[in-house]
Amino acid sequence: DAKTTQPNSMESNEEEPVHLPCNHSTISGTDYIHWYRQLPSQGPEYVIHGLTSNVNNRMASLAIAEDRKSSTLILHRATLRDAAVYYCILRDREPIYGGATNKLIFGTGTLLAVQP
Amino acid sequence: EPEVTQTPSHQVTQMGQEVILRCVPISNHLYFYWYRQILGQKVEFLVSFYNNEISEKSEIFDDQFSVERPDGSNFTLKIRSTKLEDSAMYFCASRRDIHYEQYFGPGTRLTVT
Repeated sequence: DAKTTQPNSMESNEEEPVHLPCNHSTISGTDYIHWYRQLPSQGPEYVIHGLTSNVNNRMASLAIAEDRKSSTLILHRATLRDAAVYYCILRDREPIYGGATNKLIFGTGTLLAVQP
Repeated sequence: EPEVTQTPSHQVTQMGQEVILRCVPISNHLYFYWYRQILGQKVEFLVSFYNNEISEKSEIFDDQFSVERPDGSNFTLKIRSTKLEDSAMYFCASRRDIHYEQYFGPGTRLTVT
């Protein structure tokens, strides 16, 4: 699996937008970009994923660079509840057969602190 | 909203004892996983399970570990003879199909003394 690089930590103020960067210069053409987060003392939680186009869902937006070597997770209005470790993970395109592992390989992520 | 549940939330055991960690995945999910996270470290993949068999396991998942889906709802991780270094948070995850995200449980904190 291709490697991702994220800042160790970031800070934000409540109700302000947060842009969490991820570099993945060795991404392959079939790698999806996934974001998960882990709130304190909880299991990881899916946030969003994309391939080439920018993606939006109720939690966040994902902006993917045109060359796909980097991406940015955008939280439009940070809340205290968004304080967590955010992981950017590359996953190969899902195979069409069943039984494929599709395991997640977690890095150290970005620890986001949100100040009131 | 359906969720993955895990029991117990905290298990304390003595070195050399067997432990079974239990998970109830989301009911219509087909793929099941165990991960672990040693305090202060990364989340690590242990094993994946599909169609009643292991589809992949990591180097951590040695002969002391086993998984089972004994009925239509539970998914268990057994450690036969626990070691101090097995102390960690163990997360169960499930996914509906190969095109969907993984849903994680809240974890079981295993403490081996």
